Amino acid sequence: KAGVTQTPRYLIKTRGQQVTLSCSPISGHRSVSWYQQTPGQGLQFLFEYFSETQRNKGNFPGRFSGRQFSNSRSEMNVSTLELGDSALYLCASSFAGASYEQYFGPGTRLTVT
Amino acid sequence: AQSVTQPDIHITVSEGASLELRCNYSYGATPYLFWYVQSPGQGLQLLLKYFSGDTLVQGIKGFEAEFKRSQSSFNLRKPSVHWSDAAEYFCALSGGYSGGGADGLTFGKGTHLIIQP
Repeated sequence: KAGVTQTPRYLIKTRGQQVTLSCSPISGHRSVSWYQQTPGQGLQFLFEYFSETQRNKGNFPGRFSGRQFSNSRSEMNVSTLELGDSALYLCASSFAGASYEQYFGPGTRLTVT
Repeated sequence: AQSVTQPDIHITVSEGASLELRCNYSYGATPYLFWYVQSPGQGLQLLLKYFSGDTLVQGIKGFEAEFKRSQSSFNLRKPSVHWSDAAEYFCALSGGYSGGGADGLTFGKGTHLIIQP
């Protein structure tokens, strides 16, 4: 079974721009969660989508949003980028939901200049 | 609020020696617990998980972990490390649900494992 894939793997954006990251979960998994990883804050939960509905959201500003399509693929969008948004963004998929074992993709490394 | 503490930021172990990585958690009930490993530039790989039942759980790559409720701990062990085990290790907790959705995983800050030849 193919693993979780994320595109693009690397991205460089300018402050004030917006960015969209994509995640394809493991086949059959309906839950997709997004995490931000930074050296200072570590790994933080952004939000989870399950069957196209956002089920919960972490403590991030409204500039961070997402959606999930009928094929379970998910996108995450960050608007009005700030320097502090530079991070590794990880997508994780799960069959049963974000409280159970999750399988992570390789991540998208976003650099904001 | 739930939290995970990994007391050791760095640990250096000689190849072939045994390993124990510490993880302590704070949660009001019995959580779901996980250990993940991350190699440089990679995503996280699940090593093992604990939901309930037997408190000693076996994982991949020869790792095991023991859940101790009285100590709020979930330490990761391996009897003999290999150079390829050098990586960042994360302990994580699943805290359940609020507002109809999962709260996601709460991670510790990680332990960087260095293997000496």
